[in-house]
Amino acid sequence: EAAVTQSPRNKVAVTGGKVTLSCNQTNNHNNMYWYRQDTGHGLRLIHYSYGAGSTEKGDIPDGYKASRPSQENFSLILELATPSQTSVYFCASGDGGEQYFGPGTRLTVL
Amino acid sequence: QQKVQQSPESLIVPEGGMASLNCTSSDRNVDYFWWYRQHSGKSPKMLMSIFSNGEKEEGRFTVHLNKASLHTSLHIRDSQPSDSALYLCAASRGSALGRLHFGAGTQLIVIP
Repeated sequence: EAAVTQSPRNKVAVTGGKVTLSCNQTNNHNNMYWYRQDTGHGLRLIHYSYGAGSTEKGDIPDGYKASRPSQENFSLILELATPSQTSVYFCASGDGGEQYFGPGTRLTVL
Repeated sequence: QQKVQQSPESLIVPEGGMASLNCTSSDRNVDYFWWYRQHSGKSPKMLMSIFSNGEKEEGRFTVHLNKASLHTSLHIRDSQPSDSALYLCAASRGSALGRLHFGAGTQLIVIP
């Protein structure tokens, strides 16, 4: 089965601080995704990537940057974290529609 | 406004009953639909997908798709407490691109 891991699993950050969420997949999928999940909104796409070196904006990219240095790794960067970015973040990988999700990172910005 | 609308927001059914969940896309360019299930505290996992008009059955789960109205529904017969979860519907334009638009989900609770 597809394996997607995320780190850290929990993170508390201060307003204005920099936060980096990391994701690793061992499935050799070209596509990787970053979502956030908030009650009442389902999963909302922040950034995605079609392969190493590529990043694309999703539906809610403001306040976030992404980096795909290799096929396996995809990072989400919050340069200046704000309380509105408190959420659960999921990374996923998958080619052809079915996506495999990591366990999620719970981020709290105080 | 979300492109994928799900109803109801929450649903309570007795054990052994039938659960029916609905999903409609407002984007007329989508043609693939996906159902994901997410148990509390866990990550979403794909349950079923459907691309053609009609229905598809896998065990206790049946999915219907009407491409003209961009409406899909998920029916769970003989519901079990282990079916209690958030059910997320997603739509995409083809399968190769891989970008999914998710609805807000239906929270299903199966009462023993």
